[in-house]
Amino acid sequence: DAGVTQSPTHLIKTRGQQVTLRCSPKSGHDTVSWYQQALGQGPQFIFQYYEEEERQRGNFPDRFSGHQFPNYSSELNVNALLLGDSALYLCASSLGLAANEKLFFGSGTQLSVL
Amino acid sequence: QQQVKQSPQSLIVQKGGISIINCAYENTAFDYFPWYQQFPGKGPALLIAIRPDVSEKKEGRFTISFNKSAKQFSLHIMDSQPGDSATYFCAASMLGYKLSFGAGTTVTVRA
Repeated sequence: DAGVTQSPTHLIKTRGQQVTLRCSPKSGHDTVSWYQQALGQGPQFIFQYYEEEERQRGNFPDRFSGHQFPNYSSELNVNALLLGDSALYLCASSLGLAANEKLFFGSGTQLSVL
Repeated sequence: QQQVKQSPQSLIVQKGGISIINCAYENTAFDYFPWYQQFPGKGPALLIAIRPDVSEKKEGRFTISFNKSAKQFSLHIMDSQPGDSATYFCAASMLGYKLSFGAGTTVTVRA
């Protein structure tokens, strides 16, 4: 049973560029959440997708956007990259919206902005 | 603002010793308090969780103690082993809402 898979594992971009990160949820899961984890910090909630719609959003600017596809996979897009966007981006999946106790995380995408 | 405050930032414990990590929260609407374990290069993995209707939950060598009146909860790792060396995060949420994480505690178990 595949868990949450994320691609790519590492990515290097320069300021001002745009980036797309991808996530496939755990088999049987239909809800995807994205978190940003800066070095030495805890994960910070970006947003959550369910039924192809953004359901919750954290305190992140509109440069951060996402999408969920009919197969439940998801993308995170970040425009106009800043140095401060350098972080580990984590995708987490669950079954249904009210299922925090069944949240499974992927290993993340390490984004470096130069 | 950080909704969950975690301490200490790091700790070192001898093999067989007890590791204790503390967290405090402000939002009394929180009703779910999990602990996550994260190894380098990996995502966080759920370790143990508690709801505010109980004061303690034990799973193997891991115990959560919960003090609702003080708005504090803690993780105790008994008989610490080198394989427990990792970063531990406390978190809190309301049912169905986003998880708010603490800043993490790096635990090093010396053999």
